[in-house]
Amino acid sequence: GQNIDQPTEMTATEGAIVQINCTYQTSGFNGLFWYQQHAGEAPTFLSYNVLDGLEEKGRFSSFLSRSKGYSYLLLKELQMKDSASYLCAVRVYGNNRLAFGKGNQVVVIP
Amino acid sequence: AAGVIQSPRHLIKEKRETATLKCYPIPRHDTVYWYQQGPGQDPQFLISFYEKMQSDKGSIPDRFSAQQFSDYHSELNMSSLELGDSALYFCASSVRTGAEAFFGQGTRLTVV
Repeated sequence: GQNIDQPTEMTATEGAIVQINCTYQTSGFNGLFWYQQHAGEAPTFLSYNVLDGLEEKGRFSSFLSRSKGYSYLLLKELQMKDSASYLCAVRVYGNNRLAFGKGNQVVVIP
Repeated sequence: AAGVIQSPRHLIKEKRETATLKCYPIPRHDTVYWYQQGPGQDPQFLISFYEKMQSDKGSIPDRFSAQQFSDYHSELNMSSLELGDSALYFCASSVRTGAEAFFGQGTRLTVV
């Protein structure tokens, strides 16, 4: 199985930068995904890492270190609409299921 | 762009009743996943289908069953409902070799 650990809640100011961390333990690692989820809504895909390094997509960047079992999601120029839960999920070889961590709640304040 | 469609969006059932949730994947997506998300919890994988065959099974109770039909839509059947089954049920779809799974808006099931 997969053990995925994420901290739970953080507050940040509009325009700031916030980093959300995710650590995982799994065998047969085949990719790490970041999703954004607003309360009561569907998770929305943000980014995907399968190789070590940084992936940048606009205001969002995601980093992966497979040797450390570690990833982070960087949110830049925070906007009020970024207030949401951010979930990391790991995929393993042999199936396509995503194993989610418990999510990190980000609250953006003016 | 077409998205994953789930119906119904909301469902209220009594204990011991049955419920059927439907999922229509994005066109040309051949893999469907079902997830259950309790209040304040992470999505828990239930079951997935690839080309109409069950491809993976997670923490799905024996009271639940699911299938994928010839038109690729999927249904999750839930019997002998319990209060603890109250949750958001998400369906997601992907291309088998694709990178990301796209989620539907979910069905909120409330068991009273």
